[in-house]
Amino acid sequence: GENVEQHPSTLSVQEGDSAVIKCTYSDSASNYFPWYKQELGKRPQLIIDIRSNVGEKKDQRIAVTLNKTAKHFSLHITETQPEDSAVYFCAASIRGFPVFGNEKLTFGTGTRLTIIP
Amino acid sequence: GAGVSQSPRYKVTKRGQDVALRCDPISGHVSLYWYRQALGQGPEFLTYFNYEAQQDKSGLPNDRFSAERPEGSISTLTIQRTEQRDSAMYRCASSPRQAYGEQYFGPGTRLTVT
Repeated sequence: GENVEQHPSTLSVQEGDSAVIKCTYSDSASNYFPWYKQELGKRPQLIIDIRSNVGEKKDQRIAVTLNKTAKHFSLHITETQPEDSAVYFCAASIRGFPVFGNEKLTFGTGTRLTIIP
Repeated sequence: GAGVSQSPRYKVTKRGQDVALRCDPISGHVSLYWYRQALGQGPEFLTYFNYEAQQDKSGLPNDRFSAERPEGSISTLTIQRTEQRDSAMYRCASSPRQAYGEQYFGPGTRLTVT
């Protein structure tokens, strides 16, 4: 089955600087890669995702890059703010057609991001 | 609109008792997933449904765990003869349609087995 590794496990960044979190996956059939942000005591929230036909996707201060050949993808947060402090999880799945039934998400172990004011 | 809801939010039960955890997905969402999340870890897949059909139950730890979604909406995860090792946060997620990708999580049920 799929295995997703995530690094680093903890990351402290000065406010205003950039943060990068990296993940690797094992199953070359995986084609959907979401990132979730989980604040303390809250549910995981989808913040950005990328599909395997795209190499990069950006949404304001957040961007995700995907290297299918190397089977790794990364989350980039620029101009970090205190509210970015949370645990971030990457995940991978095989999204649908023509092979339905494999859409479970396999998560990484998480990165605790702390923004230092 | 309303997000995914789960009940109860907290459940304390004695070892050996059965528990039923409920998930109410976002209205109209076709796919429903159950995960278990240990403290400090990412969610771990248990099972999922498209409409009322259970598509994959490979993540259920053993035969004490079962799930159903009889009318293609609300789902129940049942754990029989609970053990202390079953203590965890149980989360469900839903997705608008089959093979859509995006999954939206509920607040979870914190299960404690004493």
